Amino acid sequence: DILMTQSPSSLSASVGDRVTITCRATRSVPMYVNWYQQKPGRAPKLLIYDGISLPTGVPSRFTGSDSGTDFTLTISSLQPEDFATYYCQQSYTIPFTFGGGTRVEIK
Amino acid sequence: QITLRESGPTLVKPRQTLTLTCTFSGFSLSTSGVGVGWLRQPPGKPLEWLALVYWTGDKRYRPSLQSRLTITADTSEDQVVLTMTDMDPLDTATYFCAHSFGTGNFDDWGQGTLITVSS
Repeated sequence: DILMTQSPSSLSASVGDRVTITCRATRSVPMYVNWYQQKPGRAPKLLIYDGISLPTGVPSRFTGSDSGTDFTLTISSLQPEDFATYYCQQSYTIPFTFGGGTRVEIK
Repeated sequence: QITLRESGPTLVKPRQTLTLTCTFSGFSLSTSGVGVGWLRQPPGKPLEWLALVYWTGDKRYRPSLQSRLTITADTSEDQVVLTMTDMDPLDTATYFCAHSFGTGNFDDWGQGTLITVSS
């Protein structure tokens, strides 16, 4: 299985901050990385797919980048509704695997 | 608008078989590129992908659970059913079904259903 190591596991930030979350895969997963946002008691929401693409309706402050094994999710200016847990997922090979999550908390 | 909804028991006993139904609307599982997957999330833990059925009828399973899982699609009823045998307390989790299109991402999700395994 491809292990997705996500860091940090949690962070505290203020509204307006730039936030970067990283996911490292144990082997190359060319562009097949997706990012999700999950709020307590809710289903995950797809934020980024195929490494860099935004689904319709996702704000442009969310961006993704990739380099084969290292992937990042950046929130350019953190908004109050962005406090949540974020997960990366590789969909390059079965079994699809998720990172351990990054909890973004209010500073 | 795509919607999905999971249904099934909330409590199962150890060694029993769990049957979950995902009823969806707003898309057809006969459309090229479409899939419906099942995922779960134990309390306070990360997500775990379990199974996926594609528009072609092809099915994929998490290898470590493959012997216990069966996913079936009923395109006439717009439902996807997941069965999981030999349930264990470690299988306690919120189970989600989700729509997939293209490259294995999940772009629409059901609300999830908490399944507790306990005697």
